[in-house]
This record gives sequence, C-alpha cells and structure tokens, in this order.
Amino acid sequence: EAQVTQNPRYLITVTGKKLTVTCSQNMNHEYMSWYRQDPGLGLRQIYYSMNVEVTDKGDVPEGYKVSRKEKRNFPLILESPSPNQTSLYFCASSFYAANTEAFFGQGTRLTVV
Amino acid sequence: AQTVTQSQPEMSVQEAETVTLSCTYDTSESDYYLFWYKQPPSRQMILVIRQEAYKQQNATENRFSVNFQKAAKSFSLKISDSQLGDAAMYFCAYRTPTRNQFYFGTGTSLTVIP
Repeated sequence: EAQVTQNPRYLITVTGKKLTVTCSQNMNHEYMSWYRQDPGLGLRQIYYSMNVEVTDKGDVPEGYKVSRKEKRNFPLILESPSPNQTSLYFCASSFYAANTEAFFGQGTRLTVV
Repeated sequence: AQTVTQSQPEMSVQEAETVTLSCTYDTSESDYYLFWYKQPPSRQMILVIRQEAYKQQNATENRFSVNFQKAAKSFSLKISDSQLGDAAMYFCAYRTPTRNQFYFGTGTSLTVIP
C-alpha cells in the first residue's frame, strides 16, 4: 500500500530533550516536506527536500533540522525543543512534477512541557 | 509573495444542502495547480479535488466541484448534498512548476448539521 509513515503519532517531552520524528514513504517520491499545523495558522512549511542530499528552509525553520540521506526517509529533528514547538506535525511527499498531489503522513502530536 | 487566503475560518451547512468554501491566492505565475484537501477529526489529510490553471473547465469529483476563476485568482469548493461525513477542516493549496512548493491556506472548519 502506498503510504507515508510518520512516527510517533503522539509524543510528550520536556524542554531541551532532543527528539526525532521519523517519516518514510514507499512511493519513490522525490519531494518531501515537513509542516506544522497550529489553530488559525493552517499548515506552515518547516523544511523541504527536492531529492537526496538536497534540503531547504521553509517558512518556519527555526529550531528544526532535517536530513535526506535516502530517498524514502526524511526525519525531523528538534535538537532542543521548547514549548512553542508544541504543535501537530505532518510529513508529506510528492513527485517532483507540480501537477501531482502531496501525500501526507498521519501526523505527530507533539507536546513540549 | 505566494499566499493563499481562506477568509472563512468556520462554516456550517444543513445536511443535504449545498455549501461553498472560498479560497483566493496570489501568484505572478501563469502555470500552477490548485488543490483542496479535507482533514477529518482523524487528522488524515485527504485530497478532495485538483484543478489545473490552464484548464478552463472546472473540476468535478462526485458531489465536490470547484469554481475556478483565474483572472480573479479564486478557487472555491462547492459541496452538494452535504453529508455528516463531510464535516472536517478543508485546506486550499496551490503549487507552481517553478518553485514546486505547496502553499496552503489557513483552513475552513465545516460543520454539518443533521
């Protein structure tokens, strides 16, 4: 089954404790991206990747890191989480062609206390 | 600047009635693609419908259709015969070939009243 798999789905952590949210897709998509969703703000892009070893900042990259060592995986790293990073996070992937849709993971609800 | 505006944070509709969700966007490009996504309480993002900017004909998928007005940069979603399962957050988005990014609006929360 074609899918984007995100883990974990829920995470509660403490301020400053490094964490990684994993994202993997099995559709051979070139494009992968991370978003955070906050009430009233919609989906804001954190980072994106056009292909392996190619990543770039989105609209809200501060406090986040990503890597794209393999085509299928695009982990999101929070080196020192803070309470303002409490949010719902989505990973998405797509083919490079602009007429193709984005496929989304199930979302990760992160709470930083 | 590439922006997408959904001016209706919340809307409601009676079951079996029709509702239209509005979306406007700002781009200087002539070639782009437009999408509506549905996010039910399960949080899963589901593609509802897409529209190519070069096509004049409005896209239709069963009870869902769009009213695409390129000159006005407007891309509204019409839901006919609304069902309880249509209750969700709806996001409008577009994507351009030059930057290949998805730009999302802030969403419209749709309530369906039995």
